[in-house]
Amino acid sequence: GDSVTQMEGPVTLSEEAFLTINCTYTATGYPSLFWYVQYPGEGLQLLLKATKADDKGSNKGFEATYRKETTSFHLEKGSVQVSDSAVYFCALTHNTNAGKSTFGDGTTLTVKP
Amino acid sequence: DAGVIQSPRHEVTEMGQEVTLRCKPISGHDYLFWYRQTMMRGLELLIYFNNNVPIDDSGMPEDRFSAKMPNASFSTLKIQPSEPRDSAVYFCASSPWDRGTNSPLHFGNGTRLTVT
Repeated sequence: GDSVTQMEGPVTLSEEAFLTINCTYTATGYPSLFWYVQYPGEGLQLLLKATKADDKGSNKGFEATYRKETTSFHLEKGSVQVSDSAVYFCALTHNTNAGKSTFGDGTTLTVKP
Repeated sequence: DAGVIQSPRHEVTEMGQEVTLRCKPISGHDYLFWYRQTMMRGLELLIYFNNNVPIDDSGMPEDRFSAKMPNASFSTLKIQPSEPRDSAVYFCASSPWDRGTNSPLHFGNGTRLTVT
């Protein structure tokens, strides 16, 4: 079946540091890939997505590129802020499971001033 | 758009009591999902509906859990009887139908359930 593996956290960075959160997946065919972010006390919300190989999703300074050859979708940001502190989830939706997503375990990011 | 609305935000109950969680999805979304989130098990899919019909309930832990979607704008998740191990944050999410697979999920803010 489908699976998503994220780098284990927690990740602690200083403000303005570079962020990478690794995500790899296992799926047949061509799934769509997503990054969601969860702030304390809230539900998950879409951060960015990519629907086909070599697509780059971007939002709020975050980027991720769909790499089919390495089955990866790593999240990056050039300069993190304290307000980026949250839990980040990588996910995929496969067209054989219409509407059903597979989530990674989440990576907790703490950014210190 | 008001987003996915869940109620209550917090629920504290005693073991053995019935608990009902409620969800109003975003208007026009064809899919509705119930997830449970705990520190130990992460995010788990319990059940999901398409056009008000349950499609996959294989994640429902046991017969104590049941979910209904009587119409396109309302769903409930019921636990009867509740147990301390049911303590978790329960999320409802909805998604618009799409021929592709690039429709994201829209989550509510969750219901934090504590069973004592």
